[in-house]
Formats: sequence, C-alpha cells, structure tokens
Amino acid sequence: GAGVSQSPSNKVTEKGKDVELRCDPISGHTALYWYRQSLGQGLEFLIYFQGNSAPDKSGLPSDRFSAERTGGSVSTLTIQRTQQEDSAVYLCASSLDKGAHNEQFFGPGTRLTVL
Amino acid sequence: GENVEQHPSTLSVQEGDSAVIKCTYSDSASNYFPWYKQELGKRPQLIIDIRSNVGEKKDQRIAVTLNKTAKHFSLHITETQPEDSAVYFCAALATYKYIFGTGTRLKVLA
Repeated sequence: GAGVSQSPSNKVTEKGKDVELRCDPISGHTALYWYRQSLGQGLEFLIYFQGNSAPDKSGLPSDRFSAERTGGSVSTLTIQRTQQEDSAVYLCASSLDKGAHNEQFFGPGTRLTVL
Repeated sequence: GENVEQHPSTLSVQEGDSAVIKCTYSDSASNYFPWYKQELGKRPQLIIDIRSNVGEKKDQRIAVTLNKTAKHFSLHITETQPEDSAVYFCAALATYKYIFGTGTRLKVLA
C-alpha cells in the first residue's frame, strides 16, 4: 500500500514569502507528526495531531508556523514570512494510533530553502 | 524539558567490526525506544525498537539494550557491512511525543 507522501519534495522561496507544505498520511492512521530536520541535526518535534483532539503545538518555533489537519487525514504546515533559518527538511510521520504499539512511518520530506 | 543525548556523533569502523551507539533520556515516563536508520537523502526507517518491560532485543546483526534505572539504551551492530553506513537516530516516547537524539553518522570502511 501507499506510504506517507509529502509535497513538494523541494521548495525554494524568497525570504518573506509564505510557504505551504503538504502531508498525506497512510490511510487510517490517526496520529500525524511534523518534524524539522536541519542539516546534520536530529529531528525536532513541531506538532502532533491525534484524531479529532486538539493538536499539541508545543514544538512550533514561532507564531509564523501553523498547521492544520482537515478531515483527520491530509495535513498542511504553513510558514509565513519565511526566514533563512527556516531552511531545513520538513518531515511528516504517521502512525495507526498513539503509543508504543504503533510504528511511526515517515514521509520523504520537503526540503525547504529560503534565499 | 525532555531530552535525549546520543553519542558518538560520528563513528568509523572497519568492515566486520562491531559498532555501538549510546543514548540517554531524561523523561522517566518514556516507555518505548525506537532506532531509525537514515541513508543520505532518504527518510528515516525503523530498524529495531524496545519497550520498557524488556532489557534486550535482538534481530540478526542488530541488538538493543535498555537500562531503565540509568535511563540508558544502546544500539549494537555486529559484523558491520558497508551498507550499514548511514545516520542512526535513537528516540524515546512518552505517551505520544517522540524525542530524538541528534544522530550518529556511522561509516563502515571496506
């Protein structure tokens, strides 16, 4: 079956522009995560969605970052007024449910470059 | 806040030798510890995991050990091969939130 997909795979934008990144989780997966991976760094938690519950936004680095998940499936991460330090790979992951019995599957990521 | 420390940041071994990567976590509520392998330009892939009710798990050449008292867990790769070269990440899960280590770049020299 299809895995987690993300689009676009690469995005180059100018400083100050807004960008939208999309994540299609595996069908039926209720848990969805966004992470940021800067060059040579680990995965930084950004936001978590679980079903219809309020998301955990505690990892969003500033109010320029927001995310939504429509209909419990597709998610978009929006970065407003992009800055050069936003350049990174943005990874989405989904799992069937939360907790230790549910493997987390990653998408291929979106590489964002802010000029 | 929650934190996972991972060492070493880089590791070079000769083909056939063993490699060990160590992680320490801070959140005592963590109960699940996965390890991911990320090849260059690819997505992270789960290679092995361990739950808090066991101390060791093995899958062919890969093993993971967990010491809950010390809040340490380690990845052991035996008989390393060139295709093991990648970045390896540990993570700790409490409830639903994964905290990742900063990664270890493993190079297996032929």
